[in-house]
Amino acid sequence: TQLLEQSPQFLSIQEGENLTVYCNSSSVFSSLQWYRQEPGEGPVLLVTVVTGGEVKKLKRLTFQFGDARKDSSLHITAAQPGDTGLYLCAGTGGGNKLTFGTGTQLKVEL
Amino acid sequence: ETGVTQTPRHLVMGMTNKKSLKCEQHLGHNAMYWYKQSAKKPLELMFVYNFKEQTENNSVPSRFSPECPNSSHLFLHLHTLQPEDSALYLCASSQDMRLAAPTGELFFGEGSRLTVL
Repeated sequence: TQLLEQSPQFLSIQEGENLTVYCNSSSVFSSLQWYRQEPGEGPVLLVTVVTGGEVKKLKRLTFQFGDARKDSSLHITAAQPGDTGLYLCAGTGGGNKLTFGTGTQLKVEL
Repeated sequence: ETGVTQTPRHLVMGMTNKKSLKCEQHLGHNAMYWYKQSAKKPLELMFVYNFKEQTENNSVPSRFSPECPNSSHLFLHLHTLQPEDSALYLCASSQDMRLAAPTGELFFGEGSRLTVL
């Protein structure tokens, strides 16, 4: 069974701060996705990374796929209240199955 | 119409009730999924349908019964549930089963919050 551990589990920061969320596994994934889920909503895809070492930027969000394709990170610069939500990583492994991580709950306060 | 619509948004039921959750997607996708989201646990895949055919049942108890009459509609029939079944049930769809592709993406509904008393 492929497991994806996310850290930290909870994060509460002030507006303007930077933060990094980690997604780690002992398994290799062919691709990795990051979703954000806002309260009362379903998860929404932010990015997909497919190449080891790949870095993608989405405005203030920077996503990196580990060289060995076992881990990923999400860095947010100058966090805003609108970034508040549950961040989920999800990896695609053998059999084209998608495994979701344990989630990081982020709260950005004014 | 939004992409993936789920009804009802909230449901409270007793352990002896029979109820159903409904999901409808307007994206022209061929694959549909039921996920269970519980506090402090990763999203759990329950069922997968591809072109109306069930391709995966992830060891889900028989008190949950899915139905997919066509590629746009998915139901989850609930019968004699337990309090531990209380959770957010999310429906999702994707163009096809190739989630590993660079363009592979799940589109989720807003979920149905189920409380079993």
